[in-house]
Amino acid sequence: AQSVTQLDSHVSVSEGTPVLLRCNYSSSYSPSLFWYVQHPNKGLQLLLKYTSAATLVKGINGFEAEFKKSETSFHLTKPSAHMSDAAEYFCVVTANTGFQKLVFGTGTRLLVSP
Amino acid sequence: DVKVTQSSRYLVKRTGEKVFLECVQDMDHENMFWYRQDPGLGLRLIYFSYDVKMKEKGDIPEGYSVSREKKERFSLILESASTNQTSMYLCAVQGRWDQPQHFGDGTRLSIL
Repeated sequence: AQSVTQLDSHVSVSEGTPVLLRCNYSSSYSPSLFWYVQHPNKGLQLLLKYTSAATLVKGINGFEAEFKKSETSFHLTKPSAHMSDAAEYFCVVTANTGFQKLVFGTGTRLLVSP
Repeated sequence: DVKVTQSSRYLVKRTGEKVFLECVQDMDHENMFWYRQDPGLGLRLIYFSYDVKMKEKGDIPEGYSVSREKKERFSLILESASTNQTSMYLCAVQGRWDQPQHFGDGTRLSIL
């Protein structure tokens, strides 16, 4: 079985400062991991994905995440926040073998102040 | 990238009505999904389909049904709408099972 924990429900940063959104996972199988972003009244947009290739994954809009198997973590980072990054972010886990449902974290709302 | 189109962004219906939510994709992917999203509860899977005319129940299928007559279209049906079905409904599409799902913009449904 898979599960995912997003450690912070809200994160506040100032524009131009680094962003760190934390995610821990558990999986009985070799996992695939994703980060999605959701802007108000919109669907979920894929930011990046890890599917057992390079452990440091680069995504869109300057975001990246590092898969750390020993820590069962997949934290999302960005060196410098922009006002347009304010949104809700979801960490998602599934398995690489056969059909496994996507398991969504409860989300982290990122607030960016000027 | 996959384009996932949901027929309505906002919809208001009355209790007891039969409600249809439509989702169309442009990539010929086998797997399609319906979720509902509620504050504090996250995304919950209602139904999914892995091929034409094939469907499987998700975590919360009660009060819903689905239809997939053509590969590109997946419909969610509320047989008799109730106020507790007021929610944001999201359709998603997926190629291989280990690949990410691609989402539509959602339908915000209000049942009065």
